[in-house]
Amino acid sequence: KQEVTQIPAALSVPEGENLVLNCSFTDSAIYNLQWFRQDPGKGLTSLLLIQSSQREQTSGRLNASLDKSSGRSTLYIAASQPGDSATYLCAVSMNYGGSQGNLIFGKGTKLSVKP
Amino acid sequence: DARVTQTPRHKVTEMGQEVTMRCQPILGHNTVFWYRQTMMQGLELLAYFRNRAPLDDSGMPKDRFSAEMPDATLATLKIQPSEPRDSAVYFCASGLDPSGAGGSYEQYFGPGTRLTVT
Repeated sequence: KQEVTQIPAALSVPEGENLVLNCSFTDSAIYNLQWFRQDPGKGLTSLLLIQSSQREQTSGRLNASLDKSSGRSTLYIAASQPGDSATYLCAVSMNYGGSQGNLIFGKGTKLSVKP
Repeated sequence: DARVTQTPRHKVTEMGQEVTMRCQPILGHNTVFWYRQTMMQGLELLAYFRNRAPLDDSGMPKDRFSAEMPDATLATLKIQPSEPRDSAVYFCASGLDPSGAGGSYEQYFGPGTRLTVT
């Protein structure tokens, strides 16, 4: 059974710092890995999607990497800003079985960027 | 700007009452997912449709939950009877599976329905 773990559960940093959020998964049979952002009381906003054949994706100050063989992904946020404060969720899409395409989520990392 | 819409956004009901949540997927998308988010369990899949056919509802308590897609523009999740432990945020997501037979694609989430059962 696929399990997705995110470390740390919470992170507080001063504005301007570069930071790394970690995600690990137990089963490498995935279609892709997605990083989402969730603001309090709101839905999920997709940040980056990495295909299983890719190593990384970049969008603005965000860079996500994927090492499928070791079951790890990182989300790098450069020059953090208070507006980056949110919960960041990692999810993998399974490529076999009845749940093909279903996303398995980690519990998230709650990020707080202090001005 | 295409979005997944969900109604209602908030619902407070008493134990034993029926609850129906609705989702309008993005036009043209052929997959629809229902997820539930709680503090303890995080986000979990309840049901999954492709081309309106149910593919996976193993995460759903069968005795009280039901999910349907009466047409391509509407997905419903019904709880009857509701219980306090059903209190959670219910998210609908849709995506376009290009092959129609499973593959890699992005899922787009609605704003969620926050359900409170007293």
